[in-house]
Amino acid sequence: RKEVEQDPGPFNVPEGATVAFNCTYSNSASQSFFWYRQDCRKEPKLLMSVYSSGNEDGRFTAQLNRASQYISLLIRDSKLSDSATYLCVVNTISGTYKYIFGTGTRLKVLA
Amino acid sequence: NAGVTQTPKFRILKIGQSMTLQCAQDMNHNYMYWYRQDPGMGLKLIYYSVGAGITDKGEVPNGYNVSRSTTEDFPLRLELAAPSQTSVYFCASSYQRGTGEQFFGPGTRLTVL
Repeated sequence: RKEVEQDPGPFNVPEGATVAFNCTYSNSASQSFFWYRQDCRKEPKLLMSVYSSGNEDGRFTAQLNRASQYISLLIRDSKLSDSATYLCVVNTISGTYKYIFGTGTRLKVLA
Repeated sequence: NAGVTQTPKFRILKIGQSMTLQCAQDMNHNYMYWYRQDPGMGLKLIYYSVGAGITDKGEVPNGYNVSRSTTEDFPLRLELAAPSQTSVYFCASSYQRGTGEQFFGPGTRLTVL
């Protein structure tokens, strides 16, 4: 089992739609969780950290379910500019702190 | 404030050649990382550093070496390039160790023929 797993997609959604991505992680001792956005042929950039109580930033909502070991990202009112790959990142402690990256979920928002 | 910079942006190497990928950050971050990203794959950690003079191996260190003589610079050395090292290489830095945001450079696209 991979340490961090994501559905690769692509998710093709029309503008204005709501779309949700899940990410599962295998290490129950993981402490920090993030969603990064990566545009084609560009570097990843932090979209949002994920807090235990869930958190929202504009149209984006992130949630953490420790019992089931998954995090989610909800995007409301999708824009064309949301088209990108969304990377789930989990901090795991195995002797030292490491960021473990999922392979990403591709989103295409269609006009 | 340039953030994290990487040079070169692109490079083609022949099998057996060597090169150094440069990475610099101006945010005074102690923690720096080198990743490689293969098509359709997640980022894999090659090496990381927790401060000047201190480096350690990540998941995929074979064929690479690093040094960290200053807080700002973290070069990655490829010795005896192989086709399996064809990838996109990202350097990153962070203020906190494992719990904070990582800032990435724009990447170096390396092809080994």
